Amino acid sequence: QLQESGPGLVTPSETLSLTCTVSGGSMTGYYWAWIRQSAGKGLEWIGRVYFTGSTNFNPSLRSRLTMSIDTSRNQFSLNLRSVTAADTALYHCARETIGPADTILDFWGQGTLVNVSS
Amino acid sequence: DIQMTQSPSSLSASVGDRVTISCRASQRITNFLNWYHHKAGQAPKLLIYAASSLQSGVPSRFSGSGSGTEFTLTISSLQLDDSGSYYCQQSYSTPWTFGQGTKVEI
Repeated sequence: QLQESGPGLVTPSETLSLTCTVSGGSMTGYYWAWIRQSAGKGLEWIGRVYFTGSTNFNPSLRSRLTMSIDTSRNQFSLNLRSVTAADTALYHCARETIGPADTILDFWGQGTLVNVSS
Repeated sequence: DIQMTQSPSSLSASVGDRVTISCRASQRITNFLNWYHHKAGQAPKLLIYAASSLQSGVPSRFSGSGSGTEFTLTISSLQLDDSGSYYCQQSYSTPWTFGQGTKVEI
């Protein structure tokens, strides 16, 4: 299971910080991803962090993004800087598995709603 | 980025109906295409991966087909629990991208 946590309200120009807690399995061997869902853009893949700490980001967000992982605590995190109203969305965390046939998002969290507003 | 286009954007059907949702990629993605089901307030659920492989635990009424740029998700006999939104997603190249979704009303 995956569970997102973080503030539901963020002030414009500040940093959005979210944490995903993983339970019921090891983080080793997997990528751990963030996906957001907004009314205007549908589902958007934000990026992923490997269990080793290496990252891949969506180029549209790369300049504002940081992701990290703490396998000892079974958690990974997202920091998105300089937020605007366009970053208002439901943020999901998910496990990304690279299999022989495909790369899949096989387990997701329910999501946490983040509103960017003053 | 690879653009994914789904149709229809919404549909209304009855229990027992056969339902088909289409997804088109802006370039060839071989069979790197996944389908997800999302009900409000719940975690999205993977249904189909690699265009036609059924994810473990998913009912056999769900099936996927296609390759290249054209893909289809079929629900052979719609059930009440199948309401919600369905999304296709390409896993050919990052950034992964999704279709805009198809909302299914029963």
